[in-house]
Amino acid sequence: EAGVAQSPRYKIIEKRQSVAFWCNPISGHATLYWYQQILGQGPKLLIQFQNNGVVDDSQLPKDRFSAERLKGVDSTLKIQPAKLEDSAVYLCASSLNGVNQPQHFGDGTRLSIL
Amino acid sequence: DQQVKQNSPSLSVQEGRISILNCDYTNSMFDYFLWYKKYPAEGPTFLISISSIKDKNEDGRFTVFLNKSAKHLSLHIVPSQPGDSAVYFCAAKWRNYKLTFGKGTLLTVNP
Repeated sequence: EAGVAQSPRYKIIEKRQSVAFWCNPISGHATLYWYQQILGQGPKLLIQFQNNGVVDDSQLPKDRFSAERLKGVDSTLKIQPAKLEDSAVYLCASSLNGVNQPQHFGDGTRLSIL
Repeated sequence: DQQVKQNSPSLSVQEGRISILNCDYTNSMFDYFLWYKKYPAEGPTFLISISSIKDKNEDGRFTVFLNKSAKHLSLHIVPSQPGDSAVYFCAAKWRNYKLTFGKGTLLTVNP
């Protein structure tokens, strides 16, 4: 079974530029998550989709971050404009529907803001 | 407010011995707990989980213990192997709400 695919693996941009990340979840997984992991911290949920609807985006900085999941499969996360504090690893995860289904993570995109 | 705490940033163990990783939580509503393992430059990998209706769950060399009265869970790895060297994250959730992660513990298993 193929895992969660993310691209790119690394991205370096200057502050105030924009950047986009892509995620393709495990086939059949209806729930998709985007996390931000800052060095030395655990992952922090940014947004959760159930199919193509948003379940939780309470910790998404909506003035600069946006995410979409068209057709309920793959998803993109965008940052515009980027700030220095956005330097982090952005992880995508997916899970099956149902109670207490574990989330399976991709390898993430490491974003560096200069 | 850190609801899931892993107070030991690192742990070093000899190969073949037991590794015990600890996690404390403050939210008594949490009803599902998970452990993830993370190698450098890779995403976290699901290891083992436990529901709040249980106090122990075992999978091969990995056992998770839950003490609800103390709001504490631990992961036991027996016997420890060098390939177990990684960062271990404890995570917790309530119903379908978001996973809350601890900061992680770096486990080093020495040959």
